Amino acid sequence: QAVLTQPSSLSASPGASASLTCTLRSGINVGSYTIYWYQQKPGSPPQYLLRYYSDSEKLQGSGVPSRFSGSKDASANAGILLISGLQSEDEADYYCMIWHRSASVFGTGTKVTVL
Amino acid sequence: QVQLQQSGPGLVKPSQTLSLTCAISGDSVSSNVAAWNWIRQSPSRGLEWLGRTYYRSKWYYDYAVSVKGRITISPDTSLNQFSLQLNSVTSEDAALYYCAREGFYFDNWGQGALVTVSS
Repeated sequence: QAVLTQPSSLSASPGASASLTCTLRSGINVGSYTIYWYQQKPGSPPQYLLRYYSDSEKLQGSGVPSRFSGSKDASANAGILLISGLQSEDEADYYCMIWHRSASVFGTGTKVTVL
Repeated sequence: QVQLQQSGPGLVKPSQTLSLTCAISGDSVSSNVAAWNWIRQSPSRGLEWLGRTYYRSKWYYDYAVSVKGRITISPDTSLNQFSLQLNSVTSEDAALYYCAREGFYFDNWGQGALVTVSS
């Protein structure tokens, strides 16, 4: 079982909201981790979007629109990236990441399609 | 601004050693506030962090469990670069390899180097 599991794909219409989940493996408590989110477009390396630990401990990437936001769902043991007001330029792959035992672990990635 | 320039062979034979270098401009490999990482990406394994080195009065190294024992990341202060060596490669090591600077997050990436494993 992967440490971080993400839905493989998500489709939504322009202007809609998209909620991307990053589920932590059982035994790894989301409450103890900062969740990082990266966006990757074809032919480019991943680009940092934001990181989220709590509402008081979060860091938006430079130039990243506020319509990208992070949160956690403790009941689902998951980190969440919310994209509000989807735009065509948001079509990309999205990866979550944590630092676990001094090692970085990436999620399986979600491909977001804007219909 | 920080720029990372990767170099190294794109073709490695099975069982041989993969070697890549990441030259740094705009920062120092000996920075006390940065770490220098190698990350790879393949269709079968997705994004996979391999390891990092950083300097905090002495050099530190962290490696992914999946490659521990086969990997060495080495800083070169004279050339302001860091390198990746991965021994005993197999087809599973074929991937797009990135170097990346880590500040508060992975904030600068190299251009990527596609490595093929084939005899």
